[in-house]
Amino acid sequence: ETGVTQTPRHLVMGMTNKKSLKCEQHLGHNAMYWYKQSAKKPLELMFVYSLEERVENNSVPSRFSPECPNSSHLFLHLHTLQPEDSALYLCASSQDWGRGYEQYFGPGTRLTVT
Amino acid sequence: TQLLEQSPQFLSIQEGENLTVYCNSSSVFSSLQWYRQEPGEGPVLLVTVVTGGEVKKLKRLTFQFGDARKDSSLHITAAQPGDTGLYLCAGERLNDMRFGAGTRLTVKP
Repeated sequence: ETGVTQTPRHLVMGMTNKKSLKCEQHLGHNAMYWYKQSAKKPLELMFVYSLEERVENNSVPSRFSPECPNSSHLFLHLHTLQPEDSALYLCASSQDWGRGYEQYFGPGTRLTVT
Repeated sequence: TQLLEQSPQFLSIQEGENLTVYCNSSSVFSSLQWYRQEPGEGPVLLVTVVTGGEVKKLKRLTFQFGDARKDSSLHITAAQPGDTGLYLCAGERLNDMRFGAGTRLTVKP
């Protein structure tokens, strides 16, 4: 498999559930990202990992918890979410962090919180 | 207020028409990227511009970076239904990449 993959593609969860989103990149990149995409709003950068260390956390609520066990895998653990958290969650990777490196995106996980 | 303002928000045109979409900011960027996102997929990079005044062409797409590196435009000549999608601009400064909300383009056959 090539590029950036994300699972699941669709997820419906209640506000009391705990779930995890998974991202895997097969590009040998050093940086990985989580974005939130809501209708009519800009892509919101949530977290950045460079060489498995978190380098950026943009004031994301603690109900979102990222995990990067190695440079190829990135998880987003979800618990006690709110309906306004419903969105498309995109994972991306780049050769390195910063300096305008091209980001390669996965297809996203469409999350609905009921 | 968004860091990057994209206009128009929506654009629906007939096949064969020309169009221009804009990405504007009051901030100076080290580089600016344009992405296209199709339904059910993640954004895909089209081009990166880094020099003020730079013009890059990709087949029927022409990208221009403003002289002051604060704005950019994307011009499509003779649009085709395959050009349909969400066009996103992203500006990079100080290792921080910010995206605009996008222009949703529909090209009707």
